[in-house]
Amino acid sequence: ETGVTQSPTHLIKTRGQQVTLRCSSQSGHNTVSWYQQALGQGPQFIFQYYREEENGRGNFPPRFSGLQFPNYSSELNVNALELDDSALYLCASSLPQGQETQYFGPGTRLLVL
Amino acid sequence: GEDVEQSLFLSVREGDSSVINCTYTDSSSTYLYWYKQEPGAGLQLLTYIFSNMDMKQDQRLTVLLNKKDKHLSLRIADTQTGDSAIYFCAESDHGSSNTGKLIFGQGTTLQVKP
Repeated sequence: ETGVTQSPTHLIKTRGQQVTLRCSSQSGHNTVSWYQQALGQGPQFIFQYYREEENGRGNFPPRFSGLQFPNYSSELNVNALELDDSALYLCASSLPQGQETQYFGPGTRLLVL
Repeated sequence: GEDVEQSLFLSVREGDSSVINCTYTDSSSTYLYWYKQEPGAGLQLLTYIFSNMDMKQDQRLTVLLNKKDKHLSLRIADTQTGDSAIYFCAESDHGSSNTGKLIFGQGTTLQVKP
């Protein structure tokens, strides 16, 4: 167990809807990164949050957005869901540069119909 | 661009050694990682190696890094059926944003036969 928790564990949405996924970081970790893992693929970096601000973004459209709260927990929001958004969404927490090893939560499996 | 390549599948007998290989492209990576993923689960950090090291051993796990060839390997000694999972190699990429994002390979499925 890494101490990183995510909710919900599973979610079913329809195309066009919006979804919010949540992540609580490991105690003492102030950096949260989000990844999308499509079936049969490795995780792809979405973005990272540090001190409540976005600190780097992968090749994902603006309808993927996020927040980080003062307690370092984080949300991933996806608007206008598309079928290809169906994936396992993984959250990872870490300390910033210097001790950057990322510890992953169990993930949220999203199915878009 | 950044890319991490792994072979897709490896099958071994219980008790044998397993060697999972990975190649990466970003020579500026600070750390290289091995993660394990069991069916329906998140990623479990197995081990990592700092880029100025050649080898790291942690119980049954041995990581070898050839920085010249940008080749990373994970050796699992005395492989057990509980080691059956998908293994991901990842490099850290700081790029211009100093983010430390991880670039993952596609994963190697390890099948351990009794």
